[in-house]
Amino acid sequence: NAGVTQTPKFQVLKTGQSMTLQCAQDMNHEYMSWYRQDPGMGLRLIHYSVGAGITDQGEVPNGYNVSRSTTEDFPLRLLSAAPSQTSVYFCASRGQGGQPQHFGDGTRLSIL
Amino acid sequence: KQEVTQIPAALSVPEGENLVLNCSFTDSAIYNLQWFRQDPGKGLTSLLLIQSSQREQTSGRLNASLDKSSGRSTLYIAASQPGDSATYLCAVLRSGGGADGLTFGKGTHLIIQP
Repeated sequence: NAGVTQTPKFQVLKTGQSMTLQCAQDMNHEYMSWYRQDPGMGLRLIHYSVGAGITDQGEVPNGYNVSRSTTEDFPLRLLSAAPSQTSVYFCASRGQGGQPQHFGDGTRLSIL
Repeated sequence: KQEVTQIPAALSVPEGENLVLNCSFTDSAIYNLQWFRQDPGKGLTSLLLIQSSQREQTSGRLNASLDKSSGRSTLYIAASQPGDSATYLCAVLRSGGGADGLTFGKGTHLIIQP
């Protein structure tokens, strides 16, 4: 049972490039979410999904797009990367009710 | 807007001591509260989950309590060991409204001296 899998683990981009951070879970969880972690700011919610086809914005959504076409996958897209998006990105999922959140190992992203 | 505060921001104690980490939140309308551990450069490991209707949860040397009405939770670590050195994060899940996602505190950086 792999849990929550994030790819890639590391990525360096140039300003203006686009990329997609992948997140997949094999636990049939309805709820999935994306966070970024920055020094001094803690973890902040970017976008979340409460089921396939349903997404919504979190605290810091600007510059990011998401979609949820399947229960398993919740990709995060940067359309035009900016240095302010240099961060560590974590994906999480949980089941229905008060189930605990399960986190992936993170993607370390640097924008030059 | 929910805000989560963790005190202290950093703590260094000798091995063997019992210690308490504090977490407070401003909006008591929570579904549950989860404590995590994060080692440097690593992901988040879930330690304990307390539902809003519960008062405490225990796992080994760890005990977490929740007082929802006052907006407080504590994580008690008994007989601390050098391997407990890490950053401990508290996070709350909002109740109702069709929303999801956790609100995190900024963490307590814990060092256990051998």
